[in-house]
Amino acid sequence: AQTVTQSQPEMSVQEAETVTLSCTYDTSESDYYLFWYKQPPSRQMILVIRQEAYKQQNATENRFSVNFQKAAKSFSLKISDSQLGDAAMYFCAYRSARGSQGNLIFGKGTKLSVKP
Amino acid sequence: DSGVTQTPKHLITATGQRVTLRCSPRSGDLSVYWYQQSLDQGLQFLIQYYNGEERAKGNILERFSAQQFPDLHSELNLSSLELGDSALYFCASSEAPLYEQYFGPGTRLTVT
Repeated sequence: AQTVTQSQPEMSVQEAETVTLSCTYDTSESDYYLFWYKQPPSRQMILVIRQEAYKQQNATENRFSVNFQKAAKSFSLKISDSQLGDAAMYFCAYRSARGSQGNLIFGKGTKLSVKP
Repeated sequence: DSGVTQTPKHLITATGQRVTLRCSPRSGDLSVYWYQQSLDQGLQFLIQYYNGEERAKGNILERFSAQQFPDLHSELNLSSLELGDSALYFCASSEAPLYEQYFGPGTRLTVT
């Protein structure tokens, strides 16, 4: 069974600085997708970024980028120029690319605080 | 706004009771997923439907059941409620099983 581990329950960053959130996963599959979701106090789950395992190039979305290390099964999220609105819970998630299920497997989350 | 709607937003009920949570997927989405978010278990997948048929089951208790109707909305039924069932229940939808999932705002269930 696949598992996702986020080893940092809480992180803090100064506004305008850069922070990296860690995520490791375990799978025997070769085809899969990885995601970072943001959950602000409103509780809404917001997709931040996604990475296809077959792509070597790391995904980037504006101030958000990932460092995907397939061999190490590591998938970290870097937030540049942190803003107060980035304060939220961040969840790393895995989804198989096979079969017809498609459910997400989540890590426990990292609570990010942004200091003004 | 993801386009996925969930009702009610909040639900407070007593132990032993039964409740129904409702989800309307985005227009055109055929697949619906239910997730439970609790403090001790985190975010867990419960069950998936695709075009009215059950497609996958996760950590769903026998006291819980779900269905997807012909108009594609889905309902999650929780019975014989226990204190530990208090959680945030999310519905997500996607065009097809391996497509992007869009989450609803969730239903906060409190069992007293």
